[in-house]
Order: sequence, then structure tokens, then C-alpha cells
Amino acid sequence: QVQVVQSGAEVKTPGASVKVSCKASGYTFTRHYVHWVRQAPGQGLEWMGMINPSDGYRVYAQKFQGRVTMTWDTSASTVYLELSRLRYDDSAVFFCAREGIHDSDDAFDIWGQGTMVTVSS
Amino acid sequence: DIQMTQSPSTLSASVGDRVTITCRASQSINIWLAWYQQKPGKAPKLLIYRASALQSGVPSRFSGSGSGTEFTLTISSLQPDDFATYYCQQYKSSRTFGQGTKVEIK
Repeated sequence: QVQVVQSGAEVKTPGASVKVSCKASGYTFTRHYVHWVRQAPGQGLEWMGMINPSDGYRVYAQKFQGRVTMTWDTSASTVYLELSRLRYDDSAVFFCAREGIHDSDDAFDIWGQGTMVTVSS
Repeated sequence: DIQMTQSPSTLSASVGDRVTITCRASQSINIWLAWYQQKPGKAPKLLIYRASALQSGVPSRFSGSGSGTEFTLTISSLQPDDFATYYCQQYKSSRTFGQGTKVEIK
């Protein structure tokens, strides 16, 4: 079935980097943009950016510019999110989500299960 | 950046109630709006896209309306499985979510 599966929970110290993976299956990997969304404990959803696995085109939210890198591996049908210079307030669940193709821009129709990242000394 | 404002933040309702959640955009987004449902510890689930199109598999008691800057999500008869948090999201320019509306048991 169509799904995206994320890597497991991470614990990092302040100042470190974290890399989260999102593996797609059940659909043509290069046909759908993939987005990343952050959710701090008890808080709402925050869009971080997106990547086109077809050509690597990326757009990052201004808030994360300079700290976030999104990459992809077509052979593995996987996209990656790397967040550097971690702070305590980066502790959150990170979701990847597939963008649909009803329109040229679309909603997120398939979500990963989420990856908890804890920043702690 | 386009800001999205949902109201109310919390809504208390009973099974069988008709429930309406409002989402306002800081500028026109035409019909490029989606609604998601999220339960604790789970990923969001797409309910509505293009302001009023029902995602495949979503019960017909969910409906969306609106265009421009004002949108609504309506649940025609609230079911036990519907107690959750609902988010709107614009996709006219980049992506922005509303702050969420928690639907709780009255």
C-alpha cells in the first residue's frame, strides 16, 4: 500500500545535528513532492519546507533557513531532513508528508508516523 | 507570509451535534485550503482539499466550504471517533497551518 515510513526516535545534545529519513513505497517516488512538518509538544503544526524528489528543487521556510537541509536518494525512494545547531526548543515530532497531485500545488495526502527528536544535555 | 486563524480554539460538543469550525486567511487564497484531523500521538489525516473536495475514504458527514479568506469545516453529526484536533492549511503560497481547534466531549 501507499505509505511513507520514518526513522526512529533520536536524542541529541544542544548544538548537534539530527538526520531523519522518510522512505516511500507503493507509489512512484519521483511524482510527488515531500514536505516536512514540525510539531512541538502540545503545540500545532509548523511547515519546514519541501523537496521535489524528481529534480531536487527545494523550498525552505524562512524560519529554518541556514539550519535545515533536505536531500533525497532516488535509488532508495527516501528523502532526508537534517536540522543542525539543535536547541532545546527544537524538541518535537517531525513528520514527512507526501503532496498530492490533484492540482499543481496540493494538500498532504499521505503522512509518515512521525519521528520524535529530543534535545537534551 | 499568509497567516491562518482558526476559531474557536476549543469546542465542546456532544455526539450527534452539528459542529462548525472557521478558518480565516490574512489574504485571499482562492480555494487552496485543506483540513486535517489529528488524534493524540498520531499523524494528521487529510479530510478536505481544495476547500470543499472530500478526500477518498473520508465519511460524508465532513464537509468544507468557502473561498477567498473565509472557510468552514462542518461535521453534520458528530461521532465518537471525531473527537480530535482539526487544522486548516493554506497552499496558495508556501504552506501555513492554522493553530488548531480541539473538539472535546461536552
